[in-house]
Amino acid sequence: DVVMTQSPLSLPVTLGQPASISCRSSQSLVYSDGNTYLNWFQQRPGQSPRRLIYKVSNRDSGVPDRFSGSGSGTDFTLKISRVEAEDVGVYYCMQATQWPRTFGQGTKVEIK
Amino acid sequence: EVQLVESGGGLVQPGGSLRLSCAASGFIFTTCAMNWVRQAPGKGLEWVSTVSYSGDNTYYADSVKGRFTISRDNSKNTLYLQMNSLRVEDTAVYYCGRTLHFDYWGQGTLVTVSS
Repeated sequence: DVVMTQSPLSLPVTLGQPASISCRSSQSLVYSDGNTYLNWFQQRPGQSPRRLIYKVSNRDSGVPDRFSGSGSGTDFTLKISRVEAEDVGVYYCMQATQWPRTFGQGTKVEIK
Repeated sequence: EVQLVESGGGLVQPGGSLRLSCAASGFIFTTCAMNWVRQAPGKGLEWVSTVSYSGDNTYYADSVKGRFTISRDNSKNTLYLQMNSLRVEDTAVYYCGRTLHFDYWGQGTLVTVSS
């Protein structure tokens, strides 16, 4: 199975400051079609998960442009350029390249 | 508007069975693979199962293989998860998710396995 490792697991941030979450996979996430199926999800307190980013760097509709994804192969990053209060929650990376699908442990973003 | 509404959760004893449903609307259900993902209380997300758009292909996490069965009724726009031989560790909120890349999620349904 592909193991997804996120860091840090807890991220206290100051409003208006940037934040960065790392996600590393135990194997390359490049699929045979050349795409890399790495997604990022946000789960606000008491809510269902919501996809933010797909295929490493593509923002979903309605996602603020302060969120960005980058990376390749086995090393990926989610960045928030300026954290807002509504960004509080847990963020997960997930690979959809291999079976079984696997998620990272989650990174809890909170306001200092 | 895409909507996924799960139902069927509840309290069940260890060894019991439960069937979850996910009613889909706002998109062409027959063109989308569908998934189940669960989240134990206070824990992270765990992929459970996926079914292809036609229902011909199914995939399972090792933790549920042989006990859970995913299926779909394309005439009713509904996804199912039949859960048998339930264990205490199956206690979780179960979410359905759309497509192989989980672009939309439902609100979840809570399954509690306890004596």
